[in-house]
Amino acid sequence: ETGVTQSPTHLIKTRGQQVTLRCSSQSGHNTVSWYQQALGQGPQFIFQYYREEENGRGNFPPRFSGLQFPNYSSELNVNALELDDSALYLCASSGGQGATEAFFGQGTRLTVV
Amino acid sequence: DAKTTQPPSMDCAEGRAANLPCNHSTISGNEYVYWYRQIHSQGPQYIIHGLKNNETNEMASLIITEDRKSSTLILPHATLRDTAVYYCIVLERYSGAGSYQLTFGKGTKLSVIP
Repeated sequence: ETGVTQSPTHLIKTRGQQVTLRCSSQSGHNTVSWYQQALGQGPQFIFQYYREEENGRGNFPPRFSGLQFPNYSSELNVNALELDDSALYLCASSGGQGATEAFFGQGTRLTVV
Repeated sequence: DAKTTQPPSMDCAEGRAANLPCNHSTISGNEYVYWYRQIHSQGPQYIIHGLKNNETNEMASLIITEDRKSSTLILPHATLRDTAVYYCIVLERYSGAGSYQLTFGKGTKLSVIP
């Protein structure tokens, strides 16, 4: 158990819809990162939030957006879903400046049909 | 792109040491070597990290060569629960609030055989 919880665990959406995924970070952790993991691939970095500000972004289009709240929980929003967005979405939290030991949640399995 | 090269798969007998190699020939002086693993259908799990000295914790040991161009993760007594994909990542650590991203390659799929 890492103390990082994600919801929902599974989700099915239709192409063109919008989806919101949620993450509660480990207590005391102020940095949250989101990753996308396609089947058979390693996780790919989407973006990172530090103290409610986006603090880095990977090679993902603007329809992938996020929020971090004062309690450091986070949301990942994806608009205009495409079939290729089907993946495991992972949230990772880490604490303190320079702390890069990330603790991952179990992920949300998104299927776009 | 990942800065590391790992074999795609390895087998290890239960109870024996599992030695997982990683090449990172372009590593820079301020980059650390991190290891994570991912058991099927779970999120990645942090194992260990190091800069240039060998490191050991309750899960594993990390041996980094003197030139830092390669490293080996050692699981001293592998169990069936150690069957997972193991990722080697090089990463610069920040002392301030800098962004960091873990760049995962395809990793090594370790199968522990009874």
